Amino acid sequence: DAGVIQSPRHEVTEMGQEVTLRCKPISGHDYLFWYRQTMMRGLELLIYFNNNVPIDDSGMPEDRFSAKMPNASFSTLKIQPSEPRDSAVYFCASSSGLGSSGANVLTFGAGSRLTVL
Amino acid sequence: AQKITQTQPGMFVQEKEAVTLDCTYDTSDQSYGLFWYKQPSSGEMIFLIYQGSYDEQNATEGRYSLNFQKARKSANLVISASQLGDSAMYFCAMRRGMKTSYDKVIFGPGTSLSVIP
Repeated sequence: DAGVIQSPRHEVTEMGQEVTLRCKPISGHDYLFWYRQTMMRGLELLIYFNNNVPIDDSGMPEDRFSAKMPNASFSTLKIQPSEPRDSAVYFCASSSGLGSSGANVLTFGAGSRLTVL
Repeated sequence: AQKITQTQPGMFVQEKEAVTLDCTYDTSDQSYGLFWYKQPSSGEMIFLIYQGSYDEQNATEGRYSLNFQKARKSANLVISASQLGDSAMYFCAMRRGMKTSYDKVIFGPGTSLSVIP
């Protein structure tokens, strides 16, 4: 299994530009999470999906952020327009939802490091 | 509301010694899971160990063990025989639900562990 795949790994953009981060979860996993990590705020849950449906987006900081999961193998996190305070590492993670107790472990992607100038 | 507390921002341990990283959590749920993740300087999130709230025995995975005290709502990570490669950030996390339905996963602020040769 290739694991959770995120792209791009690094993104440098200018304030006001649109940013799209992509995630391919592990096949068969029906939960997908987007986290943001900064030194000041640690790991923040932005949104999570179950069976492609957004369940909780209360962590999305503002309307500039949006996330979609059009199918079981792909999700995007979009920031429009981007601002310098959005600079962070964005992680995608997936997990299965049923089965043994250990099946709910999150597997993380390598992260996308975003720098907004 | 759920909350994870890790009171040790940074810790040092001598190589080959054991170290305990503290984690306390707050939840009113009866069914939940507790996790520890390691994040080395390279940035990836590595799953270490899992404990279910109904598990009667403390979880162990190689040199990692979880000291689970349900009544005190603590889930401390014990690393035995520390190695230089254990130097990293360590995150405690919690997820409501088990086996049939799962909720979001929240993370504590992390503890930075440095292993001294």
